[in-house]
Amino acid sequence: DAGVTQSPTHLIKTRGQQVTLRCSPISGHKSVSWYQQVLGQGPQFIFQYYEKEERGRGNFPDRFSARQFPNYSSELNVNALLLGDSALYLCASSVGNSNQPQHFGDGTRLSIL
Amino acid sequence: GNSVTQMEGPVTLSEEAFLTINCTYTATGYPSLFWYVQYPGEGLQLLLKATKADDKGSNKGFEATYRKETTSFHLEKGSVQVSDSAVYFCALSDGNRGSTLGRLYFGRGTQLTVWP
Repeated sequence: DAGVTQSPTHLIKTRGQQVTLRCSPISGHKSVSWYQQVLGQGPQFIFQYYEKEERGRGNFPDRFSARQFPNYSSELNVNALLLGDSALYLCASSVGNSNQPQHFGDGTRLSIL
Repeated sequence: GNSVTQMEGPVTLSEEAFLTINCTYTATGYPSLFWYVQYPGEGLQLLLKATKADDKGSNKGFEATYRKETTSFHLEKGSVQVSDSAVYFCALSDGNRGSTLGRLYFGRGTQLTVWP
């Protein structure tokens, strides 16, 4: 079975631009979460979606938004990019039960010039 | 609030040495605890988990026991291999709150390098 897939794998943008990152969860998983991992640190929670509804939001500015589609795939959008947005963006999917582990994709490496 | 504290790295060991990576947590309620591993250029892979006090998670020779009295979840392996070289993350899930489905809180990660 396919794991969590993310696209693109790498992306280079300039300050002020907008970016959209995509995630396809494992088949049968209804929850998708997004994390930001800055170099040398642990991932930080951005959003969680379950059954197309937002179920949690981390401490990120309104420039960050996301949505989940009927097929449970998800997009993360970031507007007005800043240099500090350079990071690895990880998508994780899970069945939805809190005791079930989240499975991560390989991430999208976003570089802001 | 919820937080995870891991021992500072990097950790450098010779092959077949014993490994311990310390992890302590602060949480409300009864979180689930996890260890994830990240190889260079890749995402996070689940290594093991424990969902309640005194549970022991184990996988690929790695073990960790959920200790509620010391709020710890230390990772151990009796004999490391070169292929174990990676970054290890301790994490907790706050799903017990009910308003989320298991937001993960991560430690800063510990870089492990194993030499032959």
